[in-house]
Amino acid sequence: QVQVVESGGGLVKPGGSLRLSCAASGFTFSDYDMSWIRQAPGKGLEWVSYISGSGNSIYYADSVKGRLTISRDNAKNSLYLQMNSLRAEDTAMYYCARVYKGPDYWGQGTLVTVSS
Amino acid sequence: QSVLTQPPSVSAAPGQKVTISCSGSISNIANNYVSWYQQLPGTAPKLLIYDNNKRPSGIPDRFSGSKSGTSATLGITGLQTGDEADYYCGTWDSSLSAWVFGGGTKLTVL
Repeated sequence: QVQVVESGGGLVKPGGSLRLSCAASGFTFSDYDMSWIRQAPGKGLEWVSYISGSGNSIYYADSVKGRLTISRDNAKNSLYLQMNSLRAEDTAMYYCARVYKGPDYWGQGTLVTVSS
Repeated sequence: QSVLTQPPSVSAAPGQKVTISCSGSISNIANNYVSWYQQLPGTAPKLLIYDNNKRPSGIPDRFSGSKSGTSATLGITGLQTGDEADYYCGTWDSSLSAWVFGGGTKLTVL
């Protein structure tokens, strides 16, 4: 069955860095686009970034441009989010999602807390 | 402020029907497919509707979706207490080159 599992979250100081990973299984990873979506505590969903199956097409939300970088390794069935220059407002649960006509399968999320 | 506008909350009695609206614009809803998600308390979002009105396998036909112009609607019939959740609409915005979500609607089954 389709499964995506996030990891790499944790507590980081403002200005710090973190790398999130998402391990995919149950589908041909390279055939699907992927996205990261986040949810701040008690708030709604916010789309963060998108990458095509080949990795050739990438989009970011304005709020993270220049600080967060999405990438993928199709040989390892893995999606990544490199997070630099983190701010308090980046504190959120980060979800990895397969994209087929929109995000369809979501992981359980990994929590990122930015605090001194 | 979300690009897509949803009512913050709706409520109805068990067994009744409820609709949740999602209002957008020409650059998003009018020209792209809409998806709907259910987020039960403490869990990840789950896809309920894609392509405006299609249900993934396993989603009961009590859930339906429709779209007209710059608005979309999620309908839920035969409400159950287990339907209490937050519901989000989402679609691609061609002007922003970004996926956008509504602010979410909290459903209470009284």
